[in-house]
Amino acid sequence: TQLLEQSPQFLSIQEGENLTVYCNSSSVFSSLQWYRQEPGEGPVLLVTVVTGGEVKKLKRLTFQFGDARKDSSLHITAAQPGDTGLYLCAGVGAGSYQLTFGKGTKLSVIP
Amino acid sequence: NAGVTQTPKFQVLKTGQSMTLQCAQDMNHNSMYWYRQDPGMGLRLIYYSASEGTTDKGEVPNGYNVSRLNKREFSLRLESAAPSQTSVYFCASQEWQGNYEQYFGPGTRLTVT
Repeated sequence: TQLLEQSPQFLSIQEGENLTVYCNSSSVFSSLQWYRQEPGEGPVLLVTVVTGGEVKKLKRLTFQFGDARKDSSLHITAAQPGDTGLYLCAGVGAGSYQLTFGKGTKLSVIP
Repeated sequence: NAGVTQTPKFQVLKTGQSMTLQCAQDMNHNSMYWYRQDPGMGLRLIYYSASEGTTDKGEVPNGYNVSRLNKREFSLRLESAAPSQTSVYFCASQEWQGNYEQYFGPGTRLTVT
């Protein structure tokens, strides 16, 4: 079983602060995704990274895939209340056709 | 273009009752998935259908059955509901098995008393 550990589990910050959340595993993943889930809704895909060392930016969100493809990070610059939600990472292991999800980081951005 | 739709949105069952959760997608995707989400447990795969006509067990299939009715529709059935099946159920679709970008429905919140 390929496990994805996310940290921190909970994060509460003030509007305008920067933050980083992490997604770590002992296994290599052929690709890794980040989703955001708002209360009462399904997860929505933010980004997919496939190459070790890859960095992708989505407005104030920066996603990085580790060189060894075992970990990833999500950095948010100048967080806004609209960033509030559950952030999930999900990976596809080598030889697998299924996504493995982490348990998520619950982010609250206080105005 | 509605994406992935799920019915019902909420349901309360008594132990032992049966029900079917419906899911439909209008994106012409080949693969469809059923997950359950529980506090502190993340999303866990129940069953999936890589393509029309095929279904396979995921991580937590016990107590559930599925039917891939056609390319658009994938249903999840609880034959004899148990309190342990109280959860939020999500259906997702994916263009094809090797493209892992999944699109989720809004979820069904099920309570079994």
